Amino acid sequence: QSVLTQPPSLSGAPGQRVTISCTGSSSSTGAGYDVHWYQQLPRTAPKLLIYGNSNRPSGVPERFSGSKSGTSASLTITGPQPEDEADYYCQSYDTSLGYWVFGGGTKLTVL
Amino acid sequence: EVQLVESGGGLVQPGGSLRLSCAASGFTVNNNYMSWVRQAPGKGLEWVSIIYSGGDTYYADSVKVKFTISRDNSKNTLYLQMNSLRVEDTAVYYCARARRDVNNQYFFDYWGQGTLVTVSS
Repeated sequence: QSVLTQPPSLSGAPGQRVTISCTGSSSSTGAGYDVHWYQQLPRTAPKLLIYGNSNRPSGVPERFSGSKSGTSASLTITGPQPEDEADYYCQSYDTSLGYWVFGGGTKLTVL
Repeated sequence: EVQLVESGGGLVQPGGSLRLSCAASGFTVNNNYMSWVRQAPGKGLEWVSIIYSGGDTYYADSVKVKFTISRDNSKNTLYLQMNSLRVEDTAVYYCARARRDVNNQYFFDYWGQGTLVTVSS
């Protein structure tokens, strides 16, 4: 059971908008801790996608965006591409545990 | 160019020990916060441990007492000493560099390719 809750799977077609949610608690995201997102392509290491709720590192396509409100955060992919088929993880900090936590991951299928 | 290369994984019996290494290039390990994250087969990511630039160390409850994170400044290398290994410690272990955002929140900007640790009799 992950501290941060994500849907296990989602699908979307190019031209659609896909949103992956990440819900924490009063000791993590609800306590004001930022959410960061990672993309893990099959059989590769995770890669930073969004940091500080909504910031894209250089090289990350503009179709990826992030937001946070209260205890929940979202990763939106506007017009997913076939190469975006991957697992996506959110990450934050939990003050009750005293360390960093990840969501359970969401597997994105591009139709 | 920042690069992290893990090594040291392998097959170990329950109760055994293993030391993982993470050789860094393109930046200085002891000037950064460095972390270990693991991923059990078919499962999600689990944060394991971190060492601050000042030397403070922290661990997930699941590995506290069993694992020790350290670094060798002369080799620019991060380590994870794993003792009393159990089947549930089987995972790919990634080292990652931690960075701070504008709100002083830490995220992991560079990751190694991972090294597989299998605990089995």
